[in-house]
Amino acid sequence: EDQVTQSPEALRLQEGESSSLNCSYTVSGLRGLFWYRQDPGKGPEFLFTLYSAGEEKEKERLKATLTKKESFLHITAPKPEDSATYLCAVRRFLSGGGADGLTFGKGTHLIIQP
Amino acid sequence: DGGITQSPKYLFRKEGQNVTLSCEQNLNHDAMYWYRQDPGQGLRLIYYSQIVNDFQKGDIAEGYSVSREKKESFPLTVTSAQKNPTAFYLCASSRRDLNTGELFFGEGSRLTVL
Repeated sequence: EDQVTQSPEALRLQEGESSSLNCSYTVSGLRGLFWYRQDPGKGPEFLFTLYSAGEEKEKERLKATLTKKESFLHITAPKPEDSATYLCAVRRFLSGGGADGLTFGKGTHLIIQP
Repeated sequence: DGGITQSPKYLFRKEGQNVTLSCEQNLNHDAMYWYRQDPGQGLRLIYYSQIVNDFQKGDIAEGYSVSREKKESFPLTVTSAQKNPTAFYLCASSRRDLNTGELFFGEGSRLTVL
């Protein structure tokens, strides 16, 4: 069974204090690892997709990296508006193709204090 | 603007009643999904559909039903058989092609059973 484990569950940082969120996964045939941001009471907003070990992607203060067993979301000099829940998800390999959804972790609730 | 529209945003129902949540997309996506989100838990897949007139059960389909009569629409019915229906429900869509893999989410519907 595919599993996605995120840590820590919650993280409180001061504005400007850089840190990393972790996403460990076990899946039989990875077809992509995804990072989403979710604000309270809203739907998740897509951030990044990573497909192979060693791949990195950046967007403003966020950088996502991928190894064969985990992904990290690095947040550099965060601002209060970066406060949100960050979700990690994996898409499984299907021999016949098609889209069968994503398996999500429980998320990391990030709070950036001014 | 293109996107996914879920309605209603908030819904209250009495025990024993069925309720239908609406999901409409104008992104011309073939695939659509329903997820359930509970506090402290990751998103869990209820049903998904890759093409019109076809859908598959996800991980927690018991007590739910769906239809896919039009490409743009994927309504979810929460039946009285669902033992714990109070939750935040999220609809999503994507291209059927796995090369991008990104899911686009609606703003969610919060169902409360009184």
